[in-house]
Amino acid sequence: DTGVSQNPRHKITKRGQNVTFRCDPISEHNRLYWYRQTLGQGPEFLTYFQNEAQLEKSRLLSDRFSAERPKGSFSTLEIQRTEQGDSAMYLCASSLDASGASYEQYFGPGTRLTVT
Amino acid sequence: AQKITQTQPGMFVQEKEAVTLDCTYDTSDPSYGLFWYKQPSSGEMIFLIYQGSYDQQNATEGRYSLNFQKARKSANLVISASQLGDSAMYFCAMREGWAGGYNKLIFGAGTRLAVHP
Repeated sequence: DTGVSQNPRHKITKRGQNVTFRCDPISEHNRLYWYRQTLGQGPEFLTYFQNEAQLEKSRLLSDRFSAERPKGSFSTLEIQRTEQGDSAMYLCASSLDASGASYEQYFGPGTRLTVT
Repeated sequence: AQKITQTQPGMFVQEKEAVTLDCTYDTSDPSYGLFWYKQPSSGEMIFLIYQGSYDQQNATEGRYSLNFQKARKSANLVISASQLGDSAMYFCAMREGWAGGYNKLIFGAGTRLAVHP
């Protein structure tokens, strides 16, 4: 399977704990995105990497959130001191930097976080 | 501000019939792209179809077509010959700006489609 993969698929944690999610993009894609989707809503943009550089962070990404893509391949999203409001599906997507007219983003299966 | 509006929270269609899912958008950038994604109950977002703001013809991909009306700022998805497997959430999304530049997607709230046998 050469699609975008995310681990874990599900995470249940207690309020105040730290969690880390991993995303492995399609191998030749150098753009990587994180989105958050709450129940009944469309995904909301969190942050974007081109290779290892984090080029934009949404205001949704409070200082408890940090994302990295150290070697321009996989990425991690860490949430510190989780709150119940962090419960959501966290989606990762990747796309090509060049060629093609649409630059469509290919999404992974998501990590569903439940904070109790 | 960029915005995507999907006014139909839920739609149903009879198997083998065609269905149109509505999407309107708002942007002041002359260069933008419009996307439709399908999200089945498994949760994964599946890319369906793309329309660029400068494309002269409506996009088509198999049973999917995009009815692009630029003056009305609408980008409706038409699914022909609906199948039971088409039952899912459908999201309209917009990328503002040049395709080779920044690629953040803005999504609508989605439309849940149910296909009845």
